[in-house]
Parts: sequence; structure tokens; C-alpha cells
Amino acid sequence: AQKVTQAQTEISVVEKEDVTLDCVYETRDTTYYLFWYKQPPSGELVFLIRRNSFDEQNEISGRYSWNFQKSTSSFNFTITASQVVDSAVYFCALSGNSGGYQKVTFGTGTKLQVIP
Amino acid sequence: SQTIHQWPATLVQPVGSPLSLECTVEGTSNPNLYWYRQAAGRGLQLLFYSVGIGQISSEVPQNLSASRPQDRQFILSSKKLLLSDSGFYLCAWKAPLGRAFGETQYFGPGTRLLVL
Repeated sequence: AQKVTQAQTEISVVEKEDVTLDCVYETRDTTYYLFWYKQPPSGELVFLIRRNSFDEQNEISGRYSWNFQKSTSSFNFTITASQVVDSAVYFCALSGNSGGYQKVTFGTGTKLQVIP
Repeated sequence: SQTIHQWPATLVQPVGSPLSLECTVEGTSNPNLYWYRQAAGRGLQLLFYSVGIGQISSEVPQNLSASRPQDRQFILSSKKLLLSDSGFYLCAWKAPLGRAFGETQYFGPGTRLLVL
């Protein structure tokens, strides 16, 4: 069975601070994808990034960066110089090849509040 | 480009009344389609998914049902709503396996359902 753990339920930071959202996963699949989604107060889940299990390169997109470490089964998400618009619930997710990538296992989410 | 629509956006229904939520996808063919429910402040629960017309997989036994009458249309229904059916309902699509980005789910704007 697959499992995604987001131990941080809620985080509050002051605007312009950096913040890291943790994600730890469990899977027996040989190939899998990891994802991060953002859910702003409006409710829609917005896809942020997809990472293949064979690609451990870190990725940076503007103020966002992702650190994938297969050795520790972690896929952490860092927001640099946080802004109020970053306030949202962030979900980490996993989809594996044993299920033909038909289904996604989501973590329980981390609620980020950025205080102005 | 692909877009996903859900309606209605919000719905208030009395206990025991029927339900019909609709989801349609544009700009793609033969997508996989998904219904999720999110209770207030909680994570995502997969309810149903479909890999083709008339093909429905149920993940959680309940008083809800799903149908896929057309390739890009997915409907969530109930004959008699319960209080516990209140929540935020999200529809998602993904490309079939083998197509580009066939492992990533993309979500619609959601429907907020309140059962009184």
C-alpha cells in the first residue's frame, strides 16, 4: 500500500520568511510520480509540480523549490520570501506504476498561513 | 488546451432529496475521470473513477453513485442525501496512460454541497 505523510498540519509564517513543507512517502512501486498541489481558499486544487522517481534533481520555479531525496523518501517543498497569496492548503501526492498510475494517494495536507 | 467544468458551484439541499452533480472536460478525448469528496478541513477521499464510457469503479460504499454517459461527462448522483454527504466535491481528469503527462490529475473548480 502507498502512503503519503504530511506531518505539519498547520504552519504560520510572517511575510517574506522562507518556509518548508515536509512530505514523506511510502511505496513498493519501482516507478512512481510525486506531486504537489495547492488549494487556495477558493477550493480548486492547482497542480504545481510532478516529479518522476528516476529524476532526483531539485527543481526551482521562481520562489518555489522542491527537494526530492529518494534515500529518505522525502519530497519537500520550499517557498522563499513567502507572500500572503501563498496562504493555502498544500497537498503532496503519489502515484505508482503498480496501479497503472490510475489512482493518486494524497497526504492530509498542510495549511500555510502567511501573516502580513 | 484542456479545461474542466463543474456545476453547480454551490448547492444547498434538504436531507432525503436527490442529487446530481455534473463534470465535463474539454480539449481531450478518452480521459480518466475522478470524483473526490473533501469534508471541511479534511483531506481528499476518492469516491469513483472511470477509464471509459460506462466503466465506473467505486472506492467507498455509500449512498452515492456515478455514471459516465459520454466520453467527457461524469455525473455524481444520489437518490436520497444524508447529512454526512455535505462537503466539497471535486472532479478531476487525467490523460490515458501512454499519453503525455498521463500520470497527472487536473482538478475542476469543485461544488460545495450543504445538506440540511
